[in-house]
Amino acid sequence: DAGVTQSPTHLIKTRGQHVTLRCSPISGHKSVSWYQQVLGQGPQFIFQYYEKEERGRGNFPDRFSARQFPNYSSELNVNALLLGDSALYLCASSLSGTDTQYFGPGTRLTVL
Amino acid sequence: EDKVVQSPLSLVVHEGDTVTLNCSYEVTNFRSLLWYKQEKKAPTFLFMLTSSGIEKKSGRLSSILDKKELFSILNITATQTGDSAIYLCAVVSLQYSGYSTLTFGKGTMLLVSP
Repeated sequence: DAGVTQSPTHLIKTRGQHVTLRCSPISGHKSVSWYQQVLGQGPQFIFQYYEKEERGRGNFPDRFSARQFPNYSSELNVNALLLGDSALYLCASSLSGTDTQYFGPGTRLTVL
Repeated sequence: EDKVVQSPLSLVVHEGDTVTLNCSYEVTNFRSLLWYKQEKKAPTFLFMLTSSGIEKKSGRLSSILDKKELFSILNITATQTGDSAIYLCAVVSLQYSGYSTLTFGKGTMLLVSP
């Protein structure tokens, strides 16, 4: 069984640009959550989606947005990139969002 | 605001040693506590704890939760170099709109030297 997959694995952008990160959950999982992990810190919650609806949002600016598709895959979009957006972006899937979350390998974003 | 504090932040031990990692928390609407191991990128799930005093065990790893004192410990016995990783503690709390969030600690970086 395939685990959570994310693409791309690495990405380099410049300040002011826009980025889209993609995530496919484990088959049968209907919930996807996004996290940002900067070096030396634990992951921080950005969004949770369940059945294509946003269920929750962490303390991130409106430059961050996401959506979930009918096949339960998800995209995270970040506009007007700042240097401080450089981080590992992790996607986690779960059956319903209230149970154990399983993480993908992450996308390493570097903003220059 | 939900808060998870892990200690120590880093630890160096010799192969064969036993280590204890600590996690204390302050959250509203606690549901469960999770331990993850992060080696390069993806945190991999180790344990989920929901009840006080019941030890979860997997090989050389074990963990227990104390809901009265609001902490958990992760023990690793007979450490091996492959145990070198960041160990993350996360608490699941139920939000008012009905979804659950994970609040992570900063992690404990464990290095096991041969």
